[in-house]
Amino acid sequence: AQKITQTQPGMFVQEKEAVTLDCTYDTSDPSYGLFWYKQPSSGEMIFLIYQGSYDQQNATEGRYSLNFQKARKSANLVISASQLGDSAMYFCAMREGPGGKLTFGQGTILTVHP
Amino acid sequence: EAQVTQNPRYLITVTGKKLTVTCSQNMNHEYMSWYRQDPGLGLRQIYYSMNVEVTDKGDVPEGYKVSRKEKRNFPLILESPSPNQTSLYFCASRPVTQRSIAQYFGPGTRLTVL
Repeated sequence: AQKITQTQPGMFVQEKEAVTLDCTYDTSDPSYGLFWYKQPSSGEMIFLIYQGSYDQQNATEGRYSLNFQKARKSANLVISASQLGDSAMYFCAMREGPGGKLTFGQGTILTVHP
Repeated sequence: EAQVTQNPRYLITVTGKKLTVTCSQNMNHEYMSWYRQDPGLGLRQIYYSMNVEVTDKGDVPEGYKVSRKEKRNFPLILESPSPNQTSLYFCASRPVTQRSIAQYFGPGTRLTVL
């Protein structure tokens, strides 16, 4: 079974609008962490936001917020006020287990239209 | 500047010719890891190391070797590369005890095996 699932291969959004990228996960470990990374066309991996399994509040970092619904095992990334520079591949990842292994989803390509 | 460096950034080689991709970090991180990225599959872990002389297999270790003789270096070795190892490779590092800290990723190495 997939540990991390991103069901949207591609998403389109108009500049200045908000967009939600979906991520669901599967784990039996009570202590885990969820990460979102951005990969622009240049290829580097850029860390965006982190949510711990015991965190009570949803994480926010500037225009990025993580909609964490623990019972549903979802960790959706919300980007507010999209910018052209947000066009990129976005990966959801989960860290679990004593070794802290990081498992990635398949990624979602976001295209921001002017 | 805190960083993970990889060399080479681009490599085209032929089947069976041994190669090494170097990875070095200057943050004194205990944990280092190698991933490969393929379209539709996200990033998959090849090998990881919790500290010097401690390495373990990830999800796709076949055809790869690693070593961790020094804390800062974690080279990836392909003894006999094959075309199915054509991929984008990332090295990453983080402190082993701080599970909420995101991994620092290197810039990536694009490998083509003919």
